[in-house]
Amino acid sequence: EDQVTQSPEALRLQEGESSSLNCSYTVSGLRGLFWYRQDPGKGPEFLFTLYSAGEEKEKERLKATLTKKESFLHITAPKPEDSATYLCAVQAGNTGKLIFGQGTTLQVKP
Amino acid sequence: DAEITQSPRHKITETGRQVTLACHQTWNHNNMFWYRQDLGHGLRLIHYSYGVHDTNKGEVSDGYSVSRSNTEDLPLTLESAASSQTSVYFCASSESQNQPQHFGDGTRLSIL
Repeated sequence: EDQVTQSPEALRLQEGESSSLNCSYTVSGLRGLFWYRQDPGKGPEFLFTLYSAGEEKEKERLKATLTKKESFLHITAPKPEDSATYLCAVQAGNTGKLIFGQGTTLQVKP
Repeated sequence: DAEITQSPRHKITETGRQVTLACHQTWNHNNMFWYRQDLGHGLRLIHYSYGVHDTNKGEVSDGYSVSRSNTEDLPLTLESAASSQTSVYFCASSESQNQPQHFGDGTRLSIL
């Protein structure tokens, strides 16, 4: 059964304290791994797509990496405005359907 | 700017009533999706569509239906609302199967 697990469930950081969020997956035939950010009361906002092991994507303080079993979202020197829930999703096969993890809620304190 | 809008943003209804949630996108995307988001379950796929007159069941489709009469809209209908369907509902669209999905801001539905 295709499955996505994110850890930790919650993470509290001080401003400037770098860390990483983990997304581990078991799928047959990975077509893509997607990272989203979700703010309270809003829909998920697309951040990155990773398609193959070894691939990396960066945007401001965020960097996403992918291996054959997991993805990491590295947050460098976070700011309070980076506080949000970060969702990971995988796409298996060619249906376009996404399987989501339960998310990591990040709180960055000033 | 292109966007995806959901309405209403909040709705309260009673068990047994029929409820329809609207989703409208202006990207001209062929693919559209409906999810529900619940604590402890994350986002789960209800129904999806690859184009006009195409609909497919997701992992939690029981009690829900969709119809696609044009490219822009995919309304979600709860035939007879149940308390277990209290949730936040998100609509999404994508250009193609391997492209990222873009989400609306959701409808919070409470069934009493």
